[in-house]
Formats: sequence, structure tokens, C-alpha cells
Amino acid sequence: AQSVTQPDIHITVSEGASLELRCNYSYGATPYLFWYVQSPGQGLQLLLKYFSGDTLVQGIKGFEAEFKRSQSSFNLRKPSVHWSDAAEHFCAVGTYGGSQGNLIFGKGTKLSVKP
Amino acid sequence: DGGITQSPKYLFRKEGQNVTLSCEQNLNHDAMYWYRQDPGQGLRLIYYSQIVNDFQKGDIAEGYSVSREKKESFPLTVTSAQKNPTAFYLCASMREGLNTQYFGPGTRLTVL
Repeated sequence: AQSVTQPDIHITVSEGASLELRCNYSYGATPYLFWYVQSPGQGLQLLLKYFSGDTLVQGIKGFEAEFKRSQSSFNLRKPSVHWSDAAEHFCAVGTYGGSQGNLIFGKGTKLSVKP
Repeated sequence: DGGITQSPKYLFRKEGQNVTLSCEQNLNHDAMYWYRQDPGQGLRLIYYSQIVNDFQKGDIAEGYSVSREKKESFPLTVTSAQKNPTAFYLCASMREGLNTQYFGPGTRLTVL
């Protein structure tokens, strides 16, 4: 069965420090991979996505992610975290193809930023 | 401005009452989705629709119903059969072939 695992429930980093949020997936075919961010009480905003091609993808707000097929991972990184990055981050796999398709989400990683 | 709107932002209902959550999009997207979000649980798919007058159950459809009479609208009804309806509900839409879902701002439903 398809699944997404985000091992870290909560991460705290200092402002200006680097960040890596982990995501592992289980999916039989080539996956469509996404990172979304959610501020409290808000909807989800797309940070970046990977469909094919270059395994390092750039997104909004200075985020990037790297697809590693051998490790079934799609980790999110940022070189220097800003206080406004504090939010819940979700990794998702798109199981598109044929007549059906939807997103399978991880349970999220809450990012806190220390001043 | 193009986007997805959900109304109301907050909704309170008494136990045993049905309630309908609105989702409208003006992005001309073909597919629309409803998710439920509970603390620490991520998002779980309730229903989705790829074309007008057709929809499929997701992973947690019991106690919910939907309709898709217009391309722009995909209302969700939370029925009295839903045992634990208090949650944050998110609507999303996607243009066919682009495989990227965009989300509305959500509705927080509290059943008293």
C-alpha cells in the first residue's frame, strides 16, 4: 500500500540555521512528490513538486528538495530559516494514473523557529 | 482573482444535525477534492470528483455525502451518521493532466 512517513513530528531550529525535513514514501511506480506548508488555521500552500527530470527541485520561499529513488526519500531543505517559516509542513505522494488519483499525505512536521 | 473559496470559515452545529460545507473554484479545474484534517493525523481523503455529475469515495467517506452539479462547485454534507465530525475540512481542485492540487482556506466545523 502507498504511504508517506515523516519521521519528525516537531523540529525546532534557530533563525538563520539550516533546515532539513525528512520524508520517505512507499509507492510502486514513479511517484509524483509534493511539499506543502500550512500556517495555523489556514489552507495548504504548495512549496514545490517533483514529477521527473532533475532530482533537485527548487520551490518558493527559498526551499528545495531532493528526490532519491534508492532511498525512497524526498527531503525538504532550506539553507537559512526565517521566523516566517514556522508552520506545519506536509509531504505528499500523488498516485495519479488511470481513472483515479489522489494525494497521500504524511502526518506532517511542525517547524518552530527560535529567535 | 482566481482561487478556491470555502465558506464559512467557522461552523458550529448541534449533534444530530446535518451541515453542508461550501467549496467553489473559478480556476476552471476539472477535479475537486475534500479532505479532513485532525491534529497529528495529516489529511485524509473523503470524496473526490473528476467530472461533473460523477464522484468517488475516498478513504473515510462514511457519514459524508457530496454532489457535483456544476464544474465550479463541490459541496460536502456532513450527516448525523458521522460519528466524530468535529475537524478542519479542506477542499482542493486540480486541472486534469497537471497533477497538482491547490487548496482552499478550510472550514473548521465544531459539533456541540
